[in-house]
Amino acid sequence: EIVLTQSPATLSMSPGERATLSCRASQGVSSNLAWYQQKPGQAPRRLIYGASTRATGISPRFSGSGSGTEFTLTISSLQSEDFAVYYCQQYNNWPLWTFGQGTKVEIK
Amino acid sequence: EVQLAESGGGLVQPGGSLRLSCAASGFTFSRYGMNWVRQAPGKGLEWVSYMGSSSSATHYADSVKGRFTISRDNAKSSLYLQMNSLRTDDTAVYYCARAAVDGYDYWGRGTLVTVSS
Repeated sequence: EIVLTQSPATLSMSPGERATLSCRASQGVSSNLAWYQQKPGQAPRRLIYGASTRATGISPRFSGSGSGTEFTLTISSLQSEDFAVYYCQQYNNWPLWTFGQGTKVEIK
Repeated sequence: EVQLAESGGGLVQPGGSLRLSCAASGFTFSRYGMNWVRQAPGKGLEWVSYMGSSSSATHYADSVKGRFTISRDNAKSSLYLQMNSLRTDDTAVYYCARAAVDGYDYWGRGTLVTVSS
């Protein structure tokens, strides 16, 4: 099983700041990595796939980078609606597509 | 518009059974693999089970293997999860999610399963 480790667990930020979230894989997953956003009481929503491709309708302030074992999700300027939990997921090892444990972005 | 709607959750005693359903609309259901993903209260996401588009392939997480059975009815655009021998640690919101080539592109809103005496 591929283990994804996200850091930090919690990120305390102010609106307008730049947020950087990390995801490290226990073995290489090429670019087969997605990022999801989840708000309280809602289902996850896919933001990024292929490590760096924004899903349909996703704001350009969200960007993804990385390949292999190290990945980053960057939110360029935090808006109020961006405070949520973010999960990375690898889909390199079909069908066992594992998730990271999540990073909570909270208002400072 | 793609929509997934889960139902069938509720309160069940340990050792009991429950059957979840996921009604799909807005896309050709028979062309997609489908998944169940769960989330325990205050916890992260855990993949539970996958079924291929033609029901030919099924896979389960080790935590549910032998207790849960996934199935689908393409004529009804529906996905199911039969859960037997339920344990307290199965308590979670259960989501159905459509499998794209590159992750889960659509999710339902989830249904809560509570296993408690």
